[in-house]
Amino acid sequence: DIQMTQSPSSLSASVGDRVTITCQASQDISNYLNWYQQKPGKAPKLLIYDASNLETGVPSRFSGSGSGTDFTFTISSLQPEDIATYYCQQYDNLPNTFGQGTKLEIK
Amino acid sequence: EVQLVETGGGLIQPGGSLRLSCAASGFTVSSNYMSWVRQAPGKGLEWVSVIYSGGSTYYADSVKGRFTISRDNSKNTLYLQMNSLRAEDTAVYYCARAIAVAGIWNYWGQGTLVTVSS
Repeated sequence: DIQMTQSPSSLSASVGDRVTITCQASQDISNYLNWYQQKPGKAPKLLIYDASNLETGVPSRFSGSGSGTDFTFTISSLQPEDIATYYCQQYDNLPNTFGQGTKLEIK
Repeated sequence: EVQLVETGGGLIQPGGSLRLSCAASGFTVSSNYMSWVRQAPGKGLEWVSVIYSGGSTYYADSVKGRFTISRDNSKNTLYLQMNSLRAEDTAVYYCARAIAVAGIWNYWGQGTLVTVSS
């Protein structure tokens, strides 16, 4: 199975800050990488697919980049409603595997 | 409007069986890639199973031989039959739909909680 390693596991930032989360795959997954947002008690929500494509309706302050084994997720200007846990997920191979999550809090 | 509604969760004893349902509206289940993903309390997301539009099915090693994914086209519903349940199967189970590519899960249900405990 492909292992996905996210960092950091938790992050505290202020409103307006630029926030960056990284995700590393245990092998080359090309650009078969998605990012999801999950708020407490809610289902995950797709934000970014194929490493850098914004899902329809998702604010442009969210972005993603990378290919191969190293990927980055960025929020350009943190908003209060962005408080959530963020997960990367690869779909190059089955089983689809997720990172362990990054819990984002407001400072 | 696309909607996924999971039902069937509950408290079940170890070794027991449970069938989860995911009723879909706004699209046709049989024409899409559909998956089950679970989340143990306080933990991360774990992919469980997928059924392709052509009918092929795949499972995580942790549930292979115990869980079966299926669909009922007449009811436009996805199922997960879970047998020989273990404590480690305790989780919220989500169904998810991929619009175009299996693995890009665009739509998710609200989840149903399965608790395996004596």
